[in-house]
Amino acid sequence: GEDVEQSLFLSVREGDSSVINCTYTDSSSTYLYWYKQEPGAGLQLLTYIFSNMDMKQDQRLTVLLNKKDKHLSLRIADTQTGDSAIYFCAESNDYKLSFGAGTTVTVRA
Amino acid sequence: NAGVTQTPKFQVLKTGQSMTLQCAQDMNHEYMSWYRQDPGMGLRLIHYSVGAGITDQGEVPNGYNVSRSTTEDFPLRLLSAAPSQTSVYFCASGTVVNTGELFFGEGSRLTVL
Repeated sequence: GEDVEQSLFLSVREGDSSVINCTYTDSSSTYLYWYKQEPGAGLQLLTYIFSNMDMKQDQRLTVLLNKKDKHLSLRIADTQTGDSAIYFCAESNDYKLSFGAGTTVTVRA
Repeated sequence: NAGVTQTPKFQVLKTGQSMTLQCAQDMNHEYMSWYRQDPGMGLRLIHYSVGAGITDQGEVPNGYNVSRSTTEDFPLRLLSAAPSQTSVYFCASGTVVNTGELFFGEGSRLTVL
């Protein structure tokens, strides 16, 4: 949706870090999410961050939240070929999730 | 371990035809929703429901109807299909409390000629 914006494409070399950025508009969102969609499949929750946190780390994933600028990022360390997918940023508002357009991440050897 | 099940996976319709996309979940989730996914536009919410007997409109509801007679099922009806409804449709369910995580079906690809 237009309330959540993210860049459409990212190409990264295998083993490097990937950083996907997102901006959102609803400052009242309780949670912000990153979903992953592999080809031909539905979306799966990758990670989420509570709105009163600045950072969350989960194995190779690091989520950074800047509430002042309404900016969310997802860093994937040591990017692997299995990380090739579309990544969606989403914000919650009264049960409903608003999604960005998705960032297609391509991992090259 | 079914989760969210959508049928059919693929469908081709002619303009003006009607059809129903089925969605069922076995996780006892109160919340169910339908999204459509179009290139470059992400997922847009069509309709949603926070419990049996309760439905509401999302961002792009025109041309679609829903009902929620049971907790498990949330069918999406296209009354008179139009080429603009060519899309991939996703059903998603979740709880209305805790983290609000949504569980998605595998999608239904609809082509309207």
